[in-house]
Amino acid sequence: EPEVTQTPSHQVTQMGQEVILRCVPISNHLYFYWYRQILGQKVEFLVSFYNNEISEKSEIFDDQFSVERPDGSNFTLKIRSTKLEDSAMYFCASSVVLAGAPSTDTQYFGPGTRLTVL
Amino acid sequence: DAKTTQPPSMDCAEGRAANLPCNHSTISGNEYVYWYRQIHSQGPQYIIHGLKNNETNEMASLIITEDRKSSTLILPHATLRDTAVYYCIVGYTGNQFYFGTGTSLTVIP
Repeated sequence: EPEVTQTPSHQVTQMGQEVILRCVPISNHLYFYWYRQILGQKVEFLVSFYNNEISEKSEIFDDQFSVERPDGSNFTLKIRSTKLEDSAMYFCASSVVLAGAPSTDTQYFGPGTRLTVL
Repeated sequence: DAKTTQPPSMDCAEGRAANLPCNHSTISGNEYVYWYRQIHSQGPQYIIHGLKNNETNEMASLIITEDRKSSTLILPHATLRDTAVYYCIVGYTGNQFYFGTGTSLTVIP
């Protein structure tokens, strides 16, 4: 069964450093998402991406964050200058969203990348 | 913010049916009801979703009331591996999903 994959599973970085989290969405999916979950808190939406541009973003997704689909398979989240409060699990998700097929559509999540900022 | 209300925790005996309720009284006409679960800090796992008809798959059944203001996820024969946090979400898959605090289900041997 197709699944969303994410690398690395755990990333440790120093405050102020740039990190790139990588995701490989399910191959025929068109919408891509990033969510994060700070330890013990809710899963929070960051951004959605469709047709090579940001479709929707939350207030968390400020200028420190950016997303990119550098090729036909990868979807990345970059944090330019990490802060201690960026420590969290980051989840990538993807969905199909084809016109006429909403009843079969949902978001499928990857296993997450644990980001630790020291 | 999440547009759903769920009890914070529930227990269920192993082998029995687990019935997890969710209130979504402000659901819009075309919004779907989605259920996910999360085990520890793993990625949310999709369980089932529906619009207004009851749905069943290999994992669970989803019962949506006729007025669509509430729903119940049914795990027919709970196992210890079903211990997780269960999230009820309303919306559209192309839009952001709002995760609330969910229901922490503990399956007891």
